[in-house]
Amino acid sequence: KNEVEQSPQNLTAQEGEFITINCSYSVGISALHWLQQHPGGGIVSLFMLSSGKKKHGRLIATINIQEKHSSLHITASHPRDSAVYICAVRVRRGADGLTFGKGTHLIIQP
Amino acid sequence: DTAVSQTPKYLVTQMGNDKSIKCEQNLGHDTMYWYKQDSKKFLKIMFSYNNKELIINETVPNRFSPKSPDKAHLNLHINSLELGDSAVYFCASSQAPGLAVWTDTQYFGPGTRLTVL
Repeated sequence: KNEVEQSPQNLTAQEGEFITINCSYSVGISALHWLQQHPGGGIVSLFMLSSGKKKHGRLIATINIQEKHSSLHITASHPRDSAVYICAVRVRRGADGLTFGKGTHLIIQP
Repeated sequence: DTAVSQTPKYLVTQMGNDKSIKCEQNLGHDTMYWYKQDSKKFLKIMFSYNNKELIINETVPNRFSPKSPDKAHLNLHINSLELGDSAVYFCASSQAPGLAVWTDTQYFGPGTRLTVL
């Protein structure tokens, strides 16, 4: 079982819909990251969270440390939001980079 | 102006060859990483490195070796390439040193798609 689980794996929605992607993890962490991988392959860091909530434009990320759960929300979704969204954690026990979920493939249809 | 750059972008080679992928960051970061993304798009850490410590993921074959001539560069050398090495390799960097308790934002290079024939 992967230490980081994401749901759903695939999500297709209509433009304008409110999108939620979930991430659960099973280990102690020092930080959780949300990344976006564009269809062209590039990876961009969206958020880094250790507690609470962060907002950037139409994107909101929340984390509940006690429940070991994080959500990424997209408001007023747009076709350009179509990408793979990846949850990753920095595991407190080691210093060896990020541990990744398998990603959520999001398609926003016009 | 590219923050983290990798070369080459594409690499096609025969089994058994030795190849290198170069990575450079101009962000002044302390720590650099190599990640592998397999055919199912799953990312996995291979190495993290700062000027004090190299941390190797135990699942990485010793045919893979990182080389850091200076703080801004972390190159990946691969010996005796195998079919299963075909993947996209991403370099990344972050500000904080590679210690157990810290938080950071990672900046990724554009990736190198390696195809082993």
